[in-house]
Amino acid sequence: EILLTQSPATLSLSPGERATLSCRASQSVSRYLAWYQQKPGQGPRLLIYDASYRATGIPARFSGSGSGTDFTLTITSLEPEDCAVYYCHQHNDWPLTFGGGTKVEIK
Amino acid sequence: QVQLVESGGGVVQPGGSLRLSCAASGFSLSNFAMHWVRQAPGKRLEWVASIRFDGANKYYADSVKGRLTISSDISKNTLYLQMNSLIAEDTAVYYCAKEKSPRANTATSAFDSWGQGTLVTVSS
Repeated sequence: EILLTQSPATLSLSPGERATLSCRASQSVSRYLAWYQQKPGQGPRLLIYDASYRATGIPARFSGSGSGTDFTLTITSLEPEDCAVYYCHQHNDWPLTFGGGTKVEIK
Repeated sequence: QVQLVESGGGVVQPGGSLRLSCAASGFSLSNFAMHWVRQAPGKRLEWVASIRFDGANKYYADSVKGRLTISSDISKNTLYLQMNSLIAEDTAVYYCAKEKSPRANTATSAFDSWGQGTLVTVSS
């Protein structure tokens, strides 16, 4: 099973600041890595697919990079509505797995 | 637009059964692989089961194999998860999710639409 480790667990930043979230895989997932945003009481929302492609309707302040085992989600200028938990997800191999999440708090 | 609405959750005793439904609209289940993903309270997302767009292949997490069964009814455009021999560890919010790429092998693309989830509680 491919283990996805996300860091940090919590990120507390002010509006306008840059957020950098990390996802590390225990073995290569090529570029089959997605990022989701989840707010309380809601299902996840796809932000980034295939490591670096923004999903439909996602603002340009969200970007993804990486391949193999190391991936990054960057939010260039935080907005209050970005307060959420962010999960990475690999679909390179079975079983499909998710990271433990990074909670982004807005000061 | 694409919409997924789960139903069928509730409280069930250990060893009991439940069937979850996911009504899809805005697209046809016959064109997309579908998945069930669950989230226990305060825990990470956990993949549960997947079905290929044509129903030809089904995949299960080891933790649910032999107890949970994924299926779909194309005529009703509805995805199901039959849950038998339930245990406390199955307590979670269950989400259905649609893959992004049409008519592709299962799990070749990310999940671009999710439902709001339905809560299953296994307790005596």
